[in-house]
Formats: sequence, structure tokens, C-alpha cells
Amino acid sequence: EPEVTQTPSHQVTQMGQEVILRCVPISNHLYFYWYRQILGQKVEFLVSFYNNEISEKSEIFDDQFSVERPDGSNFTLKIRSTKLEDSAMYFCASSEPGGNGYTFGSGTRLTVV
Amino acid sequence: EDQVTQSPEALRLQEGESSSLNCSYTVSGLRGLFWYRQDPGKGPEFLFTLYSAGEEKEKERLKATLTKKESFLHITAPKPEDSATYLCAVQESGGGADGLTFGKGTHLIIQP
Repeated sequence: EPEVTQTPSHQVTQMGQEVILRCVPISNHLYFYWYRQILGQKVEFLVSFYNNEISEKSEIFDDQFSVERPDGSNFTLKIRSTKLEDSAMYFCASSEPGGNGYTFGSGTRLTVV
Repeated sequence: EDQVTQSPEALRLQEGESSSLNCSYTVSGLRGLFWYRQDPGKGPEFLFTLYSAGEEKEKERLKATLTKKESFLHITAPKPEDSATYLCAVQESGGGADGLTFGKGTHLIIQP
């Protein structure tokens, strides 16, 4: 069964450092998303991406965040200057046109120290 | 005010003991309501999408139903492997409303 692949599975970074989280969505999907889940809290929408541009973003997705699809297969989330409160699980997801059921990756656990 | 409220927060059942999980939502227009299963340390696993009141979907021991205000996830004769957190999420209708709004989930434990 096709799956969304995320790397790395764990990342520890120092406060103020830049991190890039990587995702390979399902190949025939056209919509891509990033969500985050702080430990013990609910899953929160960050951003959606379609046709090489941001389609929608939440209040959480401020200027320190950016997304990119650098080639035909990868989808990345960059956090420019990490803060302690950025520590969370970050999930990538993708969907077919119509968004009938997103497929999520297994996540990257980001720890900012 | 939360747009998606799930209850109960946690539920412990004996194997074979059927029950229902609730998801109530308040949105101006519903494009879709989604149910996911999440195991510890993993990403949400898609179960169902419901689009309109009266719709029902089934998969093995799970059945999801939808009204104009809430959705239920019925679990029939559960097994220990059904233990997980079950997440409900809504997608609002309207231009650019792509993101899902999740509830906090129901942590389900099935005891052998």
C-alpha cells in the first residue's frame, strides 16, 4: 500500500538553529500538508500546498516556517530559527484531488533544546 | 470554543464489549468529517470520510455515522488490537478551507 515517508524520524536541535523536515508524499497525490502535534495535545494544521504554492496556512505557520517542493517527489518544511515551543511531532500528509482521506506519514519528532 | 469535541476522553472496555465514541462539531458548513486511528508515536491512520447527514460507513468492527451535529464511531465486539486513540476531524466548506480541524481524541483500551 502506498505510504507517505518522512525523514528523519527523530531530530534534536539547539534553540535558534534551522531545521528541515523532509517528506515524500504518495506519487499520484497533488495536495500536500504539514501538521504538528505537541505532546499530549491535538493534531494541528499548519499548511497546505497545491500546484507549487501555499493553498492555506494556519496562525501557527508564521514567518519562521516555510515549505517547498524542490523536485517532483520531496516536500519540505523549514523552521528558520527554532524555539523551545516548536518541540512536537510533525506530520506530513498528502491527498488525491478532492481530499478524500488524507494519508499521513509516521512523523518526525523534533526536540528543541 | 472548540470546533470539534470528542467524548469520552478515555474508555476502557472488556474484549467483546461494544460501545460508541462521540464527535460533536460546530462548523458553518461541512465539507467532510474524518475518522482516524492513531497508535502511540505514529501518524494518524485513515478510517472513514463522511460527507452528509445520514451517511454510514463500515470497516470490520467499526461503523461511523453522521448527523448534522455529531458523528459516532461504533465499535462492535472489540479486540485488544483495536486499542488506540481515535481522532475525529472536520474540513469546512468554502474556498481555501483545506486544513482539517481535529478533536483531542478518545483513548480506547480493550482489555483481554
